[in-house]
Amino acid sequence: GQNIDQPTEMTATEGAIVQINCTYQTSGFNGLFWYQQHAGEAPTFLSYNVLDGLEEKGRFSSFLSRSKGYSYLLLKELQMKDSASYLCAVMDSNYQLIWGAGTKLIIKP
Amino acid sequence: GAVVSQHPSWVICKSGTSVKIECRSLDFQATTMFWYRQFPKQSLMLMATSNEGSKATYEQGVEKDKFLINHASLTLSTLTVTSAHPEDSSFYICSARGLAEASEQYFGPGTRLTVT
Repeated sequence: GQNIDQPTEMTATEGAIVQINCTYQTSGFNGLFWYQQHAGEAPTFLSYNVLDGLEEKGRFSSFLSRSKGYSYLLLKELQMKDSASYLCAVMDSNYQLIWGAGTKLIIKP
Repeated sequence: GAVVSQHPSWVICKSGTSVKIECRSLDFQATTMFWYRQFPKQSLMLMATSNEGSKATYEQGVEKDKFLINHASLTLSTLTVTSAHPEDSSFYICSARGLAEASEQYFGPGTRLTVT
């Protein structure tokens, strides 16, 4: 079966760095997405990785290792507004998105 | 970036009535649109995938006669919840994907449905 695993909840301190991991097992691979979702709102796109390596976009970076079925989202200089759920999703061979359950990130002052 | 709108943003209806939710891609053509449902503190659940001009593909466990999906144009898809019941109360979110299959999905702002 297809499976996406990510931690349920993480806590970090304002100004610090946090890494949210995601491991996956899917039928084929056409890329991995990270989305941010604030409570009561729809997800917003953060990043897309299809090749191995690190993609940096401002305070956020995303890493992919296809051989290990592993990705992480790195958030630097954390701000209170970064408190949200972070969803990992993998696009399978049929171009369908398989969603993880999301990681709730709590930022403390 | 691409913009997807949803209407209404919230709706309260009585049990047994039907509710229609519209999803529009405002600045791009969406050959494929997706409908999700999300219960509180849970992850997104894909309900169905719709391609313009063809019948929607429903996920297992989703009643196609209860959740009617129409994707009549490249910019509009509608979801109609028929004979709504309180257990249908949820956050319904649509997303749209452009012409390239491997492109990201752009999400609408969601519709919060409360059935009394």
